[in-house]
Amino acid sequence: EDKVVQSPLSLVVHEGDTVTLNCSYEVTNFRSLLWYKQEKKAPTFLFMLTSSGIEKKSGRLSSILDKKELFSILNITATQTGDSAIYLCAVPPSGAGSYQLTFGKGTKLSVIP
Amino acid sequence: GAGVSQTPSNKVTEKGKYVELRCDPISGHTALYWYRQSLGQGPEFLIYFQGTGAADDSGLPNDRFFAVRPEGSVSTLKIQRTERGDSAVYLCASSLGTAYSYEQYFGPGTRLTVT
Repeated sequence: EDKVVQSPLSLVVHEGDTVTLNCSYEVTNFRSLLWYKQEKKAPTFLFMLTSSGIEKKSGRLSSILDKKELFSILNITATQTGDSAIYLCAVPPSGAGSYQLTFGKGTKLSVIP
Repeated sequence: GAGVSQTPSNKVTEKGKYVELRCDPISGHTALYWYRQSLGQGPEFLIYFQGTGAADDSGLPNDRFFAVRPEGSVSTLKIQRTERGDSAVYLCASSLGTAYSYEQYFGPGTRLTVT
C-alpha cells in the first residue's frame, strides 16, 4: 500500500520568513510526486516531480525530489500572508489498474503579519 | 475554460437522512474521481469512473455510499442513512483519462455536516 508522510503537520511563521515543508513516501512503483496548495476547499496543483535533483520553481516556491532517500521538499521564500494554506503532497497510483492519488495529511502553514 | 464544479457548496443534514452531492467535471475529461477529506487529514479516495462505469469503488466505506455517472459526464455521490461520521468535505476531481491520472483537477468540494 502506498504511503505518504508529511512534516511538520502545522507551522506558524512571520511574513518574510523562509519555510521548508517535507514529504516522504513509500510506493511500489514510483511514477511522480505532486504538491498541491489547499486554501478553503479545492486543492490546486503546484508541482509535479519525476526526476531526482531537478528543482522545479514557480515564483517564491520551489521543490525538489530525492528518489534515493524517498522524499521531497517544498520551499517558500519571503512568505506572505497569502501563502497561508494547507500544502498537500501526493503520489499517483503505482499498482496496475489503480488510479487514485494517495495524499499525506498535509502541512498547515500560517503566515502572520 | 470552466473548471470542475460541485454543488451544493455546503450541506447540513440530520442523522439518518439521504443526501446527494453533484460533480460536473471539466468538459472532455473522461475520468472522474471522488475523495473525502476529514478535518486534519488529506483527501482519501472513494471511487473513480472511466466514462459511465465505476472502474474502482474500493474506497467507498460501506454500502450506504453509492455513486453514478449515467451519461459519462456529471456524477452524483449518494449517501443513505447519513451518520455524524460522514461529516467531511467531499471533493471531486477529473482528468483527461486514466492515462492522465497524475493530473487531476479538483473542484471546490461540498462540505457535508451531519447533525
